[in-house]
Amino acid sequence: AQKVTQAQTEISVVEKEDVTLDCVYETRDTTYYLFWYKQPPSGELVFLIRRNSFDEQNEISGRYSWNFQKSTSSFNFTITASQVVDSAVYFCALSERRAGANSKLTFGKGITLSVRP
Amino acid sequence: DTEVTQTPKHLVMGMTNKKSLKCEQHMGHRAMYWYKQKAKKPPELMFVYSYEKLSINESVPSRFSPECPNSSLLNLHLHALQPEDSALYLCASSPFRIGRGSYEQYFGPGTRLTVT
Repeated sequence: AQKVTQAQTEISVVEKEDVTLDCVYETRDTTYYLFWYKQPPSGELVFLIRRNSFDEQNEISGRYSWNFQKSTSSFNFTITASQVVDSAVYFCALSERRAGANSKLTFGKGITLSVRP
Repeated sequence: DTEVTQTPKHLVMGMTNKKSLKCEQHMGHRAMYWYKQKAKKPPELMFVYSYEKLSINESVPSRFSPECPNSSLLNLHLHALQPEDSALYLCASSPFRIGRGSYEQYFGPGTRLTVT
């Protein structure tokens, strides 16, 4: 069975601070996919990144960066120089690969990030 | 354009009412999803359609009835709901290629449903 653990439930930082959101996953599959989504107060889940299990390259997109380490089953997300607009709930999710059928997303419980001015 | 639209944004219904939620996407995605999300919880999958056919039903009560009339539209028909069904209902879509892995899902803004 798949599992995603986001041990941090709430994080509060002051604007311009860097913040890292942790994600640890469990799966028996050798091929799987990891995702991060952002859910602002408006409610819509915004797709941020998808990572394949065979691609351990870290990725940077503007102020966002992701660190994928298979050895520790972690896929952490760092926001550099945080801004008030980063305030949201962030979900890490895992999906296995299944031929011929849709794969289901297993979500973590989410981390509520508050960025204070 | 990575937009999924949902109507209505808010819905209040009594336990004897019949209502429908609507979802639309024009990204050419062939997989569409319904999720239910309670406050401070992650989304819970309800249904998955791939190529307009129901492929996953997560043991959802029959008072929820999905429908996929074409590749762009997804409906969720509601009848005789209970107050505990009050939640945010999210629609999502994703590209789908059989046997080709799991693609990211794009979510709509959701419908906030209150059952009185």
